[in-house]
Amino acid sequence: EVQLVESGGDLVQPGGSLRLSCAASGFTFSNYWMTWVRQVPGKGLEWVANIKEDGSGKWYVDSVRGRFTISRDNAKNSLYLQMDSLRAEDTAVYYCARGGFIREYWGQGTLVTVSS
Amino acid sequence: DIVMTQTPLSSPVTLGQPASISCRSSQSLVHSDGNTYLSWLQQRPGQPPRLLIYKISNRFSGVPDRFSGSGAGTDFTLKINRVEAEDVGVYYCMQATQFPHTFGQGTRLEIK
Repeated sequence: EVQLVESGGDLVQPGGSLRLSCAASGFTFSNYWMTWVRQVPGKGLEWVANIKEDGSGKWYVDSVRGRFTISRDNAKNSLYLQMDSLRAEDTAVYYCARGGFIREYWGQGTLVTVSS
Repeated sequence: DIVMTQTPLSSPVTLGQPASISCRSSQSLVHSDGNTYLSWLQQRPGQPPRLLIYKISNRFSGVPDRFSGSGAGTDFTLKINRVEAEDVGVYYCMQATQFPHTFGQGTRLEIK
């Protein structure tokens, strides 16, 4: 059974940093692109970043480029999102999803709140 | 950026009746590899999104056959043959043909 479990969400002050993790199981992690998508509570979905199977390619939405870094550790079956210079508008539930173009499986999400 | 526009934004439906959601993209979604990366997602209340349909019309594993997708180019449709109570939630179309990948605003399906 494919499972994606996000962690690391927290309350952080504007300008602060946070690292999200996504633990994958039930499939060969190193064979798949991975994605981060976020959702402001009560609002729609926004794609954040993609990473290729081997980490050699990374893509970001403009609003996070230069502040967020997507990475992965295939030996640990884990996906990460390093978030720096956080802003109030980054407040959202962050989901990891399997796949770069077809998001087949989604985690339950982890809540990031940026507030003073 | 490709803008995805869904209509309607809210759809009250009687149980057992059909429902249809339209999604229009501001540009063609045909990728250079020949595929059209248009997906439909369902988000039930309090749940993460769930993939229903990918590449316009392919039903994902475990998705009931009352869900179907169609369309081409810039115009796409999700149809639910006979709405059941468990179908309540928000439906999103999503394009992954061009970065940044973008979603429609969502269509709230509710039971009359």
